[in-house]
Amino acid sequence: KAGVTQTPRYLIKTRGQQVTLSCSPISGHRSVSWYQQTPGQGLQFLFEYFSETQRNKGNFPGRFSGRQFSNSRSEMNVSTLELGDSALYLCASKGAYEQYFGPGTRLTVT
Amino acid sequence: QKEVEQDPGPLSVPEGAIVSLNCTYSNSAFQYFMWYRQYSRKGPELLMYTYSSGNKEDGRFTAQVDKSSKYISLFIRDSQPSDSATYLCAMSWEGAQKLVFGQGTRLTINP
Repeated sequence: KAGVTQTPRYLIKTRGQQVTLSCSPISGHRSVSWYQQTPGQGLQFLFEYFSETQRNKGNFPGRFSGRQFSNSRSEMNVSTLELGDSALYLCASKGAYEQYFGPGTRLTVT
Repeated sequence: QKEVEQDPGPLSVPEGAIVSLNCTYSNSAFQYFMWYRQYSRKGPELLMYTYSSGNKEDGRFTAQVDKSSKYISLFIRDSQPSDSATYLCAMSWEGAQKLVFGQGTRLTINP
């Protein structure tokens, strides 16, 4: 079974720009979660989607948004980028209760 | 106080040693417990997952959960240099959509 895939793997953006990240979950998995990982804050939950509906959202500003498509693929968008948004963005595909992570997208904001 | 506490280390041990990694938590609603291994600049890799209390063994890895003490452990036997990574504990409750993570312990196995 193929794992979780994320594209792109690396991104460099400047402040004020927006960015869209993509995630394809494990085949058959319908729940996709997004996390932000930084050295200072560790792994923090952004939001979770199931059957195209956002079921839960973490404590992040409205600049962070996401969506899920009918094939379970998901995208997250960050608008008006700030330097503090530089991080590894991870997508996770949920099994029964465990979650499997993709390789992440490393975003650098300059 | 964080919901999940994990000693960030770093922890350095010789090859072949038994490694013990631990997390404590405060939320008694946690029912599902996971351990992830993360190599530098990679995504976390799921190593072990358990439901409620008890032990689970997989090769050189053993996960233990003690819900009465709100304490979970991961043991690595016959440690190898390739085990050098950051180990993250994570947990969730029934019906949860998210995982709550510890800060991660950086482990180095010295040949």
